[in-house]
Amino acid sequence: DADVTQTPRNRITKTGKRIMLECSQTKGHDRMYWYRQDPGLGLRLIYYSFDVKDINKGEISDGYSVSRQAQAKFSLSLESAIPNQTALYFCATSDLRRGDYNEQFFGPGTRLTVL
Amino acid sequence: GQNIDQPTEMTATEGAIVQINCTYQTSGFNGLFWYQQHAGEAPTFLSYNVLDGLEEKGRFSSFLSRSKGYSYLLLKELQMKDSASYLCAVLDSNYQLIWGAGTKLIIKP
Repeated sequence: DADVTQTPRNRITKTGKRIMLECSQTKGHDRMYWYRQDPGLGLRLIYYSFDVKDINKGEISDGYSVSRQAQAKFSLSLESAIPNQTALYFCATSDLRRGDYNEQFFGPGTRLTVL
Repeated sequence: GQNIDQPTEMTATEGAIVQINCTYQTSGFNGLFWYQQHAGEAPTFLSYNVLDGLEEKGRFSSFLSRSKGYSYLLLKELQMKDSASYLCAVLDSNYQLIWGAGTKLIIKP
C-alpha cells in the first residue's frame, strides 16, 4: 500500500462549490504539506503543518483552508472554487526526526478541474 | 526575493550524457534537492546536497557549489525511461523547500 494517499484522484466541480481534498499517511511523519502545480510553474506551497496543533500559511493560501485532524491526516478545502484553482494538487510529508534533511515524500496527486 | 532557475526543456539521445543546471538565490541555504517527476505523477527524490562537491548515485550524480549558488544533475547512459521533468529545490533558512519550475527532459532514440 502507498505510504501517502490522496482522495479523490480526480475531481471536476463547478465554480462556487466547496471542495475537500484529503491526504493520509502511514509513514508516521510529523510534517505535512499541500502544494499545487500548474503547467510551467514549480510546486507552490499552499499550507503546511509541523504537527497537529501547528498550521502555517504557505506562498498561496488565499482561497484555501486546511485541517490537521490527526498526525496522519491533513485535508485541504477550497471554500468557493474558482476556475483558476484548476491544477494538480499534491500532499507531501517529511520527518522532523530526520533533522535537517527534510526529504519530502509525495502522494499521487489530485487533478482538480473547476468549470 | 527567492529564485531558482533551471532550463525549461532539454533534449538528449538514448545512451548519452546530459547535465541539467540549477542556479538559486534564496534566503539562507540548508541543502539542495533534485526530484524526478514523470508526467502526471508525483515527484520522487533523487538526491540531496548540502556540502560542496559531487554526490554519485548509480547513473545519476549531483554537484553543488554553494559560493556560486549553483548545482547540476548529471544523468549518464540515458534510457528512454529517464524522460521526465527534473525539479531543483532549495531548503531555505526557514527549512522551507523553494522549488524551481522544473526541466523537461526529452530522450530520443
